[in-house]
Amino acid sequence: DTAVSQTPKYLVTQMGNDKSIKCEQNLGHDTMYWYKQDSKKFLKIMFSYNNKELIINETVPNRFSPKSPDKAHLNLHINSLELGDSAVYFCASSPTPGGSSYEQYFGPGTRLTVT
Amino acid sequence: AQTVTQSQPEMSVQEAETVTLSCTYDTSENNYYLFWYKQPPSRQMILVIRQEAYKQQNATENRFSVNFQKAAKSFSLKISDSQLGDTAMYFCAFMKPVANSKLTFGKGITLSVRP
Repeated sequence: DTAVSQTPKYLVTQMGNDKSIKCEQNLGHDTMYWYKQDSKKFLKIMFSYNNKELIINETVPNRFSPKSPDKAHLNLHINSLELGDSAVYFCASSPTPGGSSYEQYFGPGTRLTVT
Repeated sequence: AQTVTQSQPEMSVQEAETVTLSCTYDTSENNYYLFWYKQPPSRQMILVIRQEAYKQQNATENRFSVNFQKAAKSFSLKISDSQLGDTAMYFCAFMKPVANSKLTFGKGITLSVRP
């Protein structure tokens, strides 16, 4: 069973379009994240949600809007796509902290290419 | 704010030999978690090993072990008996042990295992 899944895995689109990436986790975790990996492979947090509530919003342009319909899903909607948005976007989830359960489980990533 | 530095952009090792990947970090926190993640060409992020800062004993997972030097803020990864499947990017990451905490990543190092 896939723990953290993302759709689509690849997304090619033109500048100016609006697109969404979906993420689902079946681990029963409370917290979900979006990370961006740029062309130089640098990974950086974008957002985190805990049980549908926005917790972290790291200086991400307003064109990016996360939505969490329930605690198992965290989607990322991007408006007016720009060339610089081309990257790999990773979804991750983690359980309620306690003991050693701080590990974040990553999805397979979505490679977004804006042309 | 926390920073994680991986100064070696790439390394190469002969199959069956041992290699050490370096990582330093900067934080004012006393308690935290450190991680090494592996990202093979498939781009999946895989947790290799985890170290809790309050533990003096270095973590070990099969062929992977760390040298955690808290005073020096150093966290290196040793891979013993390197295998071709170890070829990947390796990321060092820092996290505070609080709810909804984000991972702060280093820039990563590309490891190539030669047959």
